[in-house]
Amino acid sequence: DAKTTQPPSMDCAEGRAANLPCNHSTISGNEYVYWYRQIHSQGPQYIIHGLKNNETNEMASLIITEDRKSSTLILPHATLRDTAVYYCIVYGGSQGNLIFGKGTKLSVKP
Amino acid sequence: SQTIHQWPATLVQPVGSPLSLECTVEGTSNPNLYWYRQAAGRGLQLLFYSVGIGQISSEVPQNLSASRPQDRQFILSSKKLLLSDSGFYLCAWSGTRRTEAFFGQGTRLTVV
Repeated sequence: DAKTTQPPSMDCAEGRAANLPCNHSTISGNEYVYWYRQIHSQGPQYIIHGLKNNETNEMASLIITEDRKSSTLILPHATLRDTAVYYCIVYGGSQGNLIFGKGTKLSVKP
Repeated sequence: SQTIHQWPATLVQPVGSPLSLECTVEGTSNPNLYWYRQAAGRGLQLLFYSVGIGQISSEVPQNLSASRPQDRQFILSSKKLLLSDSGFYLCAWSGTRRTEAFFGQGTRLTVV
């Protein structure tokens, strides 16, 4: 089973920041938080990952709480092309498998 | 750079027929390899993963099997397809040291 909990859906206005939450209260010390997104009928696309520090790249920012039990993916200026299902995944350590939960369906609206 | 190839893109097969989907990775060695299935309107289900040649772990018992005959080749097979095997099949690879996973473009299988 997935080790993360996400809201099933969210809406965001185009041009505004999209903040997608994720709970991972059972994360262990050597596990990373990864975010992927899947646009309809395509393979998932890697967005960002982090261990305990906040991370930023050209796609998004990842904010991880100090206790590492939750995180937030931030798309600073959402566009219509950001409409997708966003998956938060806990992965790493000695585990070789990458388990996806149900994700959050983000709808960016004009 | 690393690339992942998965084929075919679409496939229509009759019930009871065999299946073989192939996935190959280029530009890396000793990758972790994964097969996922996504049924219509549902999430990604991990079917198999492999950390090395001949090493296959099954996450869900089913009508499918996987093999890894070479380091960068991962094959998904079935001897007799069922209607319930229809779905979107995705192959992925990741590095062995907690790196991100990269997905192929997927195969949309319809069993009729």
